[in-house]
Amino acid sequence: NAGVTQTPKFQVLKTGQSMTLQCAQDMNHNSMYWYRQDPGMGLRLIYYSASEGTTDKGEVPNGYNVSRLNKREFSLRLESAAPSQTSVYFCASSEVGVYSGNTIYFGEGSWLTVV
Amino acid sequence: DQQVKQNSPSLSVQEGRISILNCDYTNSMFDYFLWYKKYPAEGPTFLISISSIKDKNEDGRFTVFLNKSAKHLSLHIVPSQPGDSAVYFCAAKKYGNKLVFGAGTILRVKS
Repeated sequence: NAGVTQTPKFQVLKTGQSMTLQCAQDMNHNSMYWYRQDPGMGLRLIYYSASEGTTDKGEVPNGYNVSRLNKREFSLRLESAAPSQTSVYFCASSEVGVYSGNTIYFGEGSWLTVV
Repeated sequence: DQQVKQNSPSLSVQEGRISILNCDYTNSMFDYFLWYKKYPAEGPTFLISISSIKDKNEDGRFTVFLNKSAKHLSLHIVPSQPGDSAVYFCAAKKYGNKLVFGAGTILRVKS
């Protein structure tokens, strides 16, 4: 039961470098999300994909791009990393639906440090 | 503009006693509320939820109360156990699946 798998788990980048965080889910969910967690800020939505082929900005999209490669995979790219992007990143997925009581399932997180 | 606020960064409780975690929200359009629990080095996991048409939902030791007029919800854990020590996030959503999270409350249950 893998659920939501994200890689890498840890990464150190130099300012200006680029990298891609990978995420895959095996629950056949339609919606996928990228969040970042910072102390005192909770979880903030960076981008989401309501369904395959669509992506939309969340609360804090600046400095990031995403690709919904297929139904299973949703990647997050930092084109030119900045120290302000030092954070813990969580990928998540959910079924489409409103009142079905569905929830969002999270991966284990990726710790990114930009120096 | 924080739409979901958890004003207590941390809470310490003795094992066996009640833990009460609080959450306030500002957006009256929120129609579903959830609590997530997070252990260090793990992703958040769903704990319990409540629809805006209800005022209480129970699941074992966990009960969530919703006061819509006050735009306030709370999570009660009775009795508290050391394994409950974690960060608890309150979250709310409008129509659709985008969640807005609070900043989290660190719960420490002392044995």
